[in-house]
Amino acid sequence: QKEVEQNSGPLSVPEGAIASLNCTYSDRGSQSFFWYRQYSGKSPELIMSIYSNGDKEDGRFTAQLNKASQYVSLLIRDSQPSDSATYLCAVNRNGQNFVFGPGTRLSVLP
Amino acid sequence: GAVVSQHPSRVICKSGTSVKIECRSLDFQATTMFWYRQFPKQSLMLMATSNEGSKATYEQGVEKDKFLINHASLTLSTLTVTSAHPEDSSFYICSARVAGGYTGTDTQYFGPGTRLTVL
Repeated sequence: QKEVEQNSGPLSVPEGAIASLNCTYSDRGSQSFFWYRQYSGKSPELIMSIYSNGDKEDGRFTAQLNKASQYVSLLIRDSQPSDSATYLCAVNRNGQNFVFGPGTRLSVLP
Repeated sequence: GAVVSQHPSRVICKSGTSVKIECRSLDFQATTMFWYRQFPKQSLMLMATSNEGSKATYEQGVEKDKFLINHASLTLSTLTVTSAHPEDSSFYICSARVAGGYTGTDTQYFGPGTRLTVL
């Protein structure tokens, strides 16, 4: 079982819709969780971090964490074509290396 | 967020030459930096973890004699690709770990990457 799993996509949503990106992880000791956005040909950019169960909202982005079920998700409201990118989920067990998922490619159709 | 720079952003070299890539943390001290490689349309691949003042830890399958990493200060890590060959052409990305802070947990920030083309 891979440590961090994501659906590779592509996930296609129409402009203005909600995009839902999911991630599962295997290490129950993971303590911090991150979502990075990577545009084609660019490096990853941190967009959200979450550490406690529940929801965390930042603008159009909402991260959701459920440690019991070992999943973390990212919702993007009012999706825009500029949101089209690959979204990487990363988990960290403090003091150890970050583990990245393979990424989900999101395509927002105008 | 913390700022990480990389230099050069793009390099083209002849086969057999060595290329050095610099990674700097601009507004914080980074005891740990990471080096990744990414081929087109593929996932990030961690190459090595670089700790200030000590030898880098390489991932399985990464040749430490080919990819030399030096982390001599808290703001600078370098990756040297020695005797580069066309198959080394890739997108090399560094990142730095920001320890703790107000969140109490570590966070990782990426540099903009270096695109290496070996002819």
